[in-house]
Amino acid sequence: KNEVEQSPQNLTAQEGEFITINCSYSVGISALHWLQQHPGGGIVSLFMLSSGKKKHGRLIATINIQEKHSSLHITASHPRDSAVYICAVDKTSGSRLTFGEGTQLTVNP
Amino acid sequence: SAVISQKPSRDICQRGTSLTIQCQVDSQVTMMFWYRQQPGQSLTLIATANQGSEATYESGFVIDKFPISRPNLTFSTLTVSNMSPEDSSIYLCSATLSRGPTGELFFGEGSRLTVL
Repeated sequence: KNEVEQSPQNLTAQEGEFITINCSYSVGISALHWLQQHPGGGIVSLFMLSSGKKKHGRLIATINIQEKHSSLHITASHPRDSAVYICAVDKTSGSRLTFGEGTQLTVNP
Repeated sequence: SAVISQKPSRDICQRGTSLTIQCQVDSQVTMMFWYRQQPGQSLTLIATANQGSEATYESGFVIDKFPISRPNLTFSTLTVSNMSPEDSSIYLCSATLSRGPTGELFFGEGSRLTVL
């Protein structure tokens, strides 16, 4: 079993829909990152969380440390949100990131 | 904040050849990393590029195949040597401003290599 699990693997939505991507992890962490990978391969860091909730524009990220779970929400989704969203964790026991498999999001107009 | 430029952005290479990927950061960063992303897979750390000394390689990656340089705090190169089709991947440079990986992450745009 992977230490970081994302769901769903693939998600198709209509423009304007509210989207949720989930990330569960099984290890102790010091921080959790949400990343966005564009079709060309480049990656952008969206959020770094160690507790609570963060919001940036239409994106909201939450984390529940006790439940070892994080969610990324996109409100009023748009076709330009189509990308792969990756959850990654900084483990307290190690010095390297552990990545989830990613969620491919497609938003249709 | 840091902006990372990688080049080439993509290349098509012949089996047996080598290719060097360059990573330039617009500010001094503490840690630089090289990742590989094989088709349909998530990111795998190849090595941590250490300034002025040999890179620290992850299990399964060796210096002869993936020599890395980091001559200063803003620049690093990764060479993929003696390429085979199995090396076809996206290679990504990443950096952080903190000593450990906990901290905001910065990534380059990736170098998509296809080996024929």
